[in-house]
Amino acid sequence: AQTVTQSQPEMSVQEAETVTLSCTYDTSESDYYLFWYKQPPSRQMILVIRQEAYKQQNATENRFSVNFQKAAKSFSLKISDSQLGDAAMYFCAPRYSGAGSYQLTFGKGTKLSVIP
Amino acid sequence: GAGVSQSPRYKVAKRGQDVALRCDPISGHVSLFWYQQALGQGPEFLTYFQNEAQLDKSGLPSDRFFAERPEGSVSTLKIQRTQQEDSAVYLCASSLVLGGVVYNEQFFGPGTRLTVL
Repeated sequence: AQTVTQSQPEMSVQEAETVTLSCTYDTSESDYYLFWYKQPPSRQMILVIRQEAYKQQNATENRFSVNFQKAAKSFSLKISDSQLGDAAMYFCAPRYSGAGSYQLTFGKGTKLSVIP
Repeated sequence: GAGVSQSPRYKVAKRGQDVALRCDPISGHVSLFWYQQALGQGPEFLTYFQNEAQLDKSGLPSDRFFAERPEGSVSTLKIQRTQQEDSAVYLCASSLVLGGVVYNEQFFGPGTRLTVL
């Protein structure tokens, strides 16, 4: 089974500070996509950032960036200048090409709290 | 509508009842996914449609779970003879298919929270 590990069940960060959420995954595939999704308490899942495994350059999206280490199968999310609205559950979710149906495989999530 | 919608948002069922959960994907999205999210867990894949064809149902936990998308738009997830372990949030997601390639981003609905008593 292809597993996704988010080793930090809960994290907290001071407003305006930087926080990094970790994710490791296990796959034998070479071509896949990686996503971070955010799920606020209202429950609607929102895409934060995506990374193509064939790209060496780390993806960035405004205050969000990733550190993608393909050999180590690591895909961490860095949130800079944290804001109160960043408080949510964050899920790491690879999409493997061999999945056939393109489903996402989610980790258990990290609950991020932002302290004013 | 602008996004994926699901109804009902909340459903309480007595054990043994049948339930039907509805998903309206974003217009033009031919790919549709159902996920089950237990309390405190990440979503887990249930089934996948491309248009009206159910291409993957490997995640359905038992034969009590059935999904359909007869006209390639709205989808219904049906659970027969509900059990307490079926209590979860059921999420629907849709994505584009462009030039035969399934687009990466999945857009999620707000989910249906099912509670089985």
